[in-house]
Amino acid sequence: SQQGEEDPQALSIQEGENATMNCSYKTSINNLQWYRQNSGRGLVHLILIRSNEREKHSGRLRVTLDTSKKSSSLLITASRAADTASYFCATELSGGYNKLIFGAGTRLAVHP
Amino acid sequence: EAGVTQFPSHSVIEKGQTVTLRCDPISGHDNLYWYRRVMGKEIKFLLHFVKESKQDESGMPNNRFLAERTGGTYSTLKVQPAELEDSGVYFCASSQSLFFGNTIYFGEGSWLTVV
Repeated sequence: SQQGEEDPQALSIQEGENATMNCSYKTSINNLQWYRQNSGRGLVHLILIRSNEREKHSGRLRVTLDTSKKSSSLLITASRAADTASYFCATELSGGYNKLIFGAGTRLAVHP
Repeated sequence: EAGVTQFPSHSVIEKGQTVTLRCDPISGHDNLYWYRRVMGKEIKFLLHFVKESKQDESGMPNNRFLAERTGGTYSTLKVQPAELEDSGVYFCASSQSLFFGNTIYFGEGSWLTVV
């Protein structure tokens, strides 16, 4: 079964709006990471949040982590058409040798 | 510094044929991982090499898949014989060490279509 599950599966917004994606997981983790995949391209690492952190910022990205609820959220503020992509959360399990477990992703479409 | 490179970037083969995907990790990275995303589903772990040794191959779907990393440098993933359900994108990734939270770098992927 999947470790990470993103919600929603698809999100469509207008440029300038904020986009929020959620991720839930099942087991203990060392950290949680968010990746982006543009259509036909590879995975780009966005941000990593450790299990002892609650919030992290990077540019227009804000990630929260609630280990009690086993959930994380990714907020993209002031979205741009170039943010259109699939976004994946990935968890690094405790004792997992850097092995990442991905969810199915959220497809984000930002319309001009 | 070159990133993780994968070859071929795209491949179309017929069912029953063989395809070999290659991954060159970042120089000096002992850890090499293979993942795949099939038909828009989740990205699934296939296996993990530490240098030339298979640390974890729990995600390999069946014995039609063979991964090697001779000499601990580049890796190959062979699918023989290929089936329709093998279509998808195969990602390779590498990391320098096994410290938790170590950045894992992904390649652009090898997009495989089996017809």
